[in-house]
Amino acid sequence: DADVTQTPRNRITKTGKRIMLECSQTKGHDRMYWYRQDPGLGLRLIYYSFDVKDINKGEISDGYSVSRQAQAKFSLSLESAIPNQTALYFCATSEGTGIGYGYTFGSGTRLTVV
Amino acid sequence: GENVEQHPSTLSVQEGDSAVIKCTYSDSASNYFPWYKQELGKRPQLIIDIRSNVGEKKDQRIAVTLNKTAKHFSLHITETQPEDSAVYFCAARGAGSYQLTFGKGTKLSVIP
Repeated sequence: DADVTQTPRNRITKTGKRIMLECSQTKGHDRMYWYRQDPGLGLRLIYYSFDVKDINKGEISDGYSVSRQAQAKFSLSLESAIPNQTALYFCATSEGTGIGYGYTFGSGTRLTVV
Repeated sequence: GENVEQHPSTLSVQEGDSAVIKCTYSDSASNYFPWYKQELGKRPQLIIDIRSNVGEKKDQRIAVTLNKTAKHFSLHITETQPEDSAVYFCAARGAGSYQLTFGKGTKLSVIP
């Protein structure tokens, strides 16, 4: 379970501040994803990356940016945080080939924007 | 894109009874359907999955069924136990993609 690590685990920040959430993995997976979880809304995809040179927007990318620094590292940034970005954020990874591969999730980052 | 609907949003059952959670998907080309369990304060974890070329899959007390014609799939938990209490998410992966689209989740409570 320590294969996908997210930092920080909890963060409180002020409106307008820039914040970065980090994800690193030791699973050797090519594909990495950022989701946010809100009560009653499930898990919604923010960004995903299939390798270091490949970045793709998900369904709710506005207000977020990402960086894939290496195969093992995928960071999510909020350039100017706003209160409705308060949520639980999950990083996930999956293997590259075939269709039958689920995700391995990180432990999550609980972000509160005040 | 893919859209996944999940019902019910909450489900309470007596210990020992069965629980069924249903999901529908919109993309007829979707080919992979995993289910995740998220215990309170923890990360979602894969509990069972099914590919589009299979109609049913079982793993001890849990099973998943897939009806491609109707575009729906279901999670069945038999002989429920208090430790089955959690939020369950279904998901679908469209053909030609690797990202998953999730349902909104079902909070299952098993009453001792």
